[in-house]
Amino acid sequence: DTGVSQDPRHKITKRGQNVTFRCDPISEHNRLYWYRQTLGQGPEFLTYFQNEAQLEKSRLLSDRFSAERPKGSFSTLEIQRTEQGDSAMYLCASSQAQASGTYEQYFGPGTRLTVT
Amino acid sequence: AQRVTQPEKLLSVFKGAPVELKCNYSYSGSPELFWYVQYSRQRLQLLLRHISRESIKGFTADLNKGETSFHLKKPFAQEEDSAMYYCALSGMREYGNKLVFGAGTILRVKS
Repeated sequence: DTGVSQDPRHKITKRGQNVTFRCDPISEHNRLYWYRQTLGQGPEFLTYFQNEAQLEKSRLLSDRFSAERPKGSFSTLEIQRTEQGDSAMYLCASSQAQASGTYEQYFGPGTRLTVT
Repeated sequence: AQRVTQPEKLLSVFKGAPVELKCNYSYSGSPELFWYVQYSRQRLQLLLRHISRESIKGFTADLNKGETSFHLKKPFAQEEDSAMYYCALSGMREYGNKLVFGAGTILRVKS
């Protein structure tokens, strides 16, 4: 499968614990995005990388959240001291930025986080 | 502010009936508009984008800048069209091309 992959697919954790998710984008894609989706809502943008540089972070991304893309390939999203409100589906997407400005974001299957 | 509104949470139609999924947006600038679809147990995938002006799986969508709308249409619904549909926008070359999504509309096509 050459699509975007995410690991784990499901995570159940207790409030206060730290969790880390991984995203592997399509190999030639230079942009990587993280979104969060809660029940009944569309995905909401969290942050994005161009290569290894994190270029934008949403206000949704509190200081308990940190994302990295150390070598411009895979990315990790860590949530420290999880809260019940963090329960959501975390989606990763990748794209290849083009000079024309057009692109397509390809989404992974998501990691469903449940905080108990 | 960037916003996408999909007024219907659920649209239920009979097979063979026309479908129109509504999408309105607000954006100060030149947005790029998309429709994404998520079939049961599958990942989110792009259905179509306004700049390509394509018809995908019989669906079309026209960007109406005057009404700030990008409604998705299909003349004859099929059962396999049943899915969750999201309208989304991004700024051309702005904001890293991040996507702003609507809340989605579930389309149910009944036989």
